[in-house]
Amino acid sequence: DTEVTQTPKHLVMGMTNKKSLKCEQHMGHRAMYWYKQKAKKPPELMFVYSYEKLSINESVPSRFSPECPNSSLLNLHLHALQPEDSALYLCASSGTGTGWKVQFFGPGTRLTVL
Amino acid sequence: GNSVTQMEGPVTLSEEAFLTINCTYTATGYPSLFWYVQYPGEGLQLLLKATKADDKGSNKGFEATYRKETTSFHLEKGSVQVSDSAVYFCALSPIQGAQKLVFGQGTRLTINP
Repeated sequence: DTEVTQTPKHLVMGMTNKKSLKCEQHMGHRAMYWYKQKAKKPPELMFVYSYEKLSINESVPSRFSPECPNSSLLNLHLHALQPEDSALYLCASSGTGTGWKVQFFGPGTRLTVL
Repeated sequence: GNSVTQMEGPVTLSEEAFLTINCTYTATGYPSLFWYVQYPGEGLQLLLKATKADDKGSNKGFEATYRKETTSFHLEKGSVQVSDSAVYFCALSPIQGAQKLVFGQGTRLTINP
């Protein structure tokens, strides 16, 4: 199984709402990632978890809060977002060590903030 | 620093045409190189990869060869199909900080029947 799944596929939220994005993989990968992708741009790295611990935070605003409850799951909690946060949010996973290199991406959650 | 420069799009071709999308990179040592494809409304899919100089990655009729002397990883396909219409991203994984993929800007490809 080389699949990364993400839910929901689409999400519309107001600026005062709290919502969560979910990501799951069953490839035994111990590294998981959140990316943000704006239209016609490449993905931008937000967070990296390695062995369920946050290893990279690319200076992301605190209104985005990641969580890695176990080695298969990754969540992104959203609170008080701004309209400019509307984007496609992609989750990815990879092996670690020499396996860091190949990242497998999920289909994404398209987020609209009103 | 590490960077990837891709041929700017959009690129429009007719079905069965030959495709080349240029990609050059700047990095220390021998990074791993990738092509990812993003179909409309979807996430990124790994298309092919190469991890050392002169490696050729191939998949679904696409090929790319890791050229250290020209720091390039150009994507080619001999005969494109309408179903190849997508955005193609060249990316590298550096030796240091391998988990931080560095992407090119993407090339939008449209194939007309």
